[in-house]
Order: sequence, then structure tokens, then C-alpha cells
Amino acid sequence: GQQVMQIPQYQHVQEGEDFTTYCNSSTTLSNIQWYKQRPGGHPVFLIQLVKSGEVKKQKRLTFQFGEAKKNSSLHITATQTTDVGTYFCAGKSGGSNYKLTFGKGTLLTVNP
Amino acid sequence: NAGVTQTPKFQVLKTGQSMTLQCAQDMNHEYMSWYRQDPGMGLRLIHYSVGAGITDQGEVPNGYNVSRSTTEDFPLRLLSAAPSQTSVYFCASKVGTDYGYTFGSGTRLTVV
Repeated sequence: GQQVMQIPQYQHVQEGEDFTTYCNSSTTLSNIQWYKQRPGGHPVFLIQLVKSGEVKKQKRLTFQFGEAKKNSSLHITATQTTDVGTYFCAGKSGGSNYKLTFGKGTLLTVNP
Repeated sequence: NAGVTQTPKFQVLKTGQSMTLQCAQDMNHEYMSWYRQDPGMGLRLIHYSVGAGITDQGEVPNGYNVSRSTTEDFPLRLLSAAPSQTSVYFCASKVGTDYGYTFGSGTRLTVV
């Protein structure tokens, strides 16, 4: 079945440093979504990418979808303590498959 | 607009007991899903529904039943609880197949 791998599993940074998490799928995706989960909280939808090579920005967050639609990345510029949490990617294959497969997430901690 | 409401927030069960985790959404979303979250495993899909009267299995359906008699409600039933079902359970809904999920705040279940 479809697998979505996410690296790294953990990342600790000093406040102000940049952070990137990568997501790779075993199959071509129709779209990819990113979620953030604060410690003790629930996942919150951040964004969806659909087009090959798509790049979207949300303030200090930059999301990319690979040309082959099998990988994606989330980059945070100048991290802040409010960025702490686990970032998940979730991919969906095309066709009649409604299932969204989540990666295992990257836990980001930020030292003030 | 309450969003996605899950009850209870915490539950302790004895092995072999049955129970129902409740999930209700007031956003008129067609798609609803149940995920479980275990340390290091990310979010794994248990069951999902694409509309009232329609349900299907996800990655880890064994030991769980669902039904969708109304658009609003999507309860998850544990038939005979086992320690392996100790987890955090999230219900999520979305308006359509290519939209982001809105998650409930979760149910933390311990089976002893």
C-alpha cells in the first residue's frame, strides 16, 4: 500500500535558526497536505499542494511539492518558540482512493 | 460553530469491555474519519465515511466498528477492548475529498 515517509523524526533548533522537514511517498500523489500538532493538542490543517512543482508561502513557512509529485518539504525561516510542535505531511493517491495517508511526523523543539 | 466534538476526552477500560467513542460535527461535512495516534507511529486511519450510510475500512480496522446514520455523527465502537487499543483517538471531518481535515480534540483511551 501507499507509504509516506517523513524525515527527520526529531529536530531541535535554536530560536532564529531555520528548519526543514521532508516527506517522500512510495507512489505518485494527487495532492499533499501539511498539518501542525502542538504538544497535547490535535492536528491543525496548514495547507494543501496540488500542482507539480507548486510552492506556497504562509508568512515564515514555505511549502513545496516536487516535480514528480512524490515528495514535499516544509521550510520554516527564523524559527520562533511558537513553532514548537509536530509537523505531519499527508498524501492522497488519485483515482477513487479517498484515504489520506499520514507520515509519522517531525517533532520540532525550539530553544529560546 | 463547535466544529468537531469528541466525547469522552479520557476513558479507562478493562480488557474485554466495549464502549463507543462519540464524534459529532456541525459543519455539514460529508467526509469523516477516525484515526489513532500512537508514539512514533503517526496517525493511522481506522475507518472512514464519505457520506451518510457509507463507510469503509482504513489501515487498522480490526477490533473497531463504525456506522454513519446521519451526516453529523460518526461513532466508533470498540467491540472487546484490548491493551493494544490504548491510544489517542482523533475524529476528523472535511467538506470534500480534496480539502483539509478539521480534527476533534481527541479521546485518550487506556485499556488495562
